[in-house]
Amino acid sequence: DTGVSQDPRHKITKRGQNVTFRCDPISEHNRLYWYRQTLGQGPEFLTYFQNEAQLEKSRLLSDRFSAERPKGSFSTLEIQRTEQGDSAMYLCASSLWGLAGTRGETQYFGPGTRLLVL
Amino acid sequence: TQLLEQSPQFLSIQEGENLTVYCNSSSVFSSLQWYRQEPGEGPVLLVTVVTGGEVKKLKRLTFQFGDARKDSSLHITAAQPGDTGLYLCATAGGTSYGKLTFGQGTILTVHP
Repeated sequence: DTGVSQDPRHKITKRGQNVTFRCDPISEHNRLYWYRQTLGQGPEFLTYFQNEAQLEKSRLLSDRFSAERPKGSFSTLEIQRTEQGDSAMYLCASSLWGLAGTRGETQYFGPGTRLLVL
Repeated sequence: TQLLEQSPQFLSIQEGENLTVYCNSSSVFSSLQWYRQEPGEGPVLLVTVVTGGEVKKLKRLTFQFGDARKDSSLHITAAQPGDTGLYLCATAGGTSYGKLTFGQGTILTVHP
């Protein structure tokens, strides 16, 4: 399977603990996005990378959140001192941007990591 | 940030019925995407519409982009239980690139 993969699929943690999620994008995709989705709502943008550079961060991304994409391939999203309000599905998407002749950009989503903070 | 309003929020119908889901904004879309998401999975892209007035068909699904590119609709003919899921519209706003803004989604349940 060459789609976007995320690990773990589910994570239960206690309030105050740190958690880290991993996203492996589609090979050769240069953009990688993180979104957060709460139950019954559409995903909300958190941050994105082009290659290894983090180009934009949402105001939703407090200083407890940090994301990296050190080699321009996989990415990690860490949440420190988790709070119950962090409980959500964390989605990763990747895309190939800048391909000559294409119009627009198609983002392919992974299955998500569902986080529950007790 | 462009806001997208989807309606209805919930839809519960019987197998074989037709339905339409709407996505509206006060701003012009450069392009609009429709996704379907099943519980516990990520959104899967159904279609991208770009040109005002454009109509695209995907089997029993018909997608329409408004002439002014401020609204879109998804029509499902003869719904089946396998159509059950969360339907989301999304846009990259004034460009066709970058972060997506999603509507709140329409939860569709098709009963056998």
